[in-house]
Amino acid sequence: ELKVEQNPLFLSMQEGKNYTIYCNYSTTSDRLYWYRQDPGKSLESLFVLLSNGAVKQEGRLMASLDTKARLSTLHITAAVHDLSATYFCAVAGWETSGSRLTFGEGTQLTVNP
Amino acid sequence: KAGVTQTPRYLIKTRGQQVTLSCSPISGHRSVSWYQQTPGQGLQFLFEYFSETQRNKGNFPGRFSGRQFSNSRSEMNVSTLELGDSALYLCASSLDRPTGELFFGEGSRLTVL
Repeated sequence: ELKVEQNPLFLSMQEGKNYTIYCNYSTTSDRLYWYRQDPGKSLESLFVLLSNGAVKQEGRLMASLDTKARLSTLHITAAVHDLSATYFCAVAGWETSGSRLTFGEGTQLTVNP
Repeated sequence: KAGVTQTPRYLIKTRGQQVTLSCSPISGHRSVSWYQQTPGQGLQFLFEYFSETQRNKGNFPGRFSGRQFSNSRSEMNVSTLELGDSALYLCASSLDRPTGELFFGEGSRLTVL
């Protein structure tokens, strides 16, 4: 059974600081996703990572994937208040066709002025 | 381009009743998947439909069912509602390519009293 673990689960940081969210998964996967969710809202797609060593960046967020270590990271650079949200990673197992994703517990990020 | 549309957005039911939720995917998307989000269990996969066929199914009881129509619109049904079925039900659509990016709707928030 595919398991996905994120840490930390709660992250409070100051504006302007850098931090990294980690996502570990238990079995081989060929697709890893990062999503953002604001309170009471749906999931917003941030990144799709498809291969070992993949790195994608959008604004102050950068995601990377190490399939050998079964680890993805979401790095936040110079955080701003608008980044406050819950961030989820999700993994599709290699044996699974289609869109069956296993989600991590989510990391609740609060950026304080 | 219209996004994923879910209806109704909010609904309140009582135990024992049944409910039907609807999802219209992004035009051209043939894969529709459903997820349940609760504070206790997080995001859990319910099922996925592709070309009117259920392709994947999560670990939910038979009270949870779904279907997909020829126009790719999907419905899910929950019968004999229990208090624990209170959740945000999210629908996602995708093009079903190797990139497999999923786009989520705003969700249907079900409260069971």
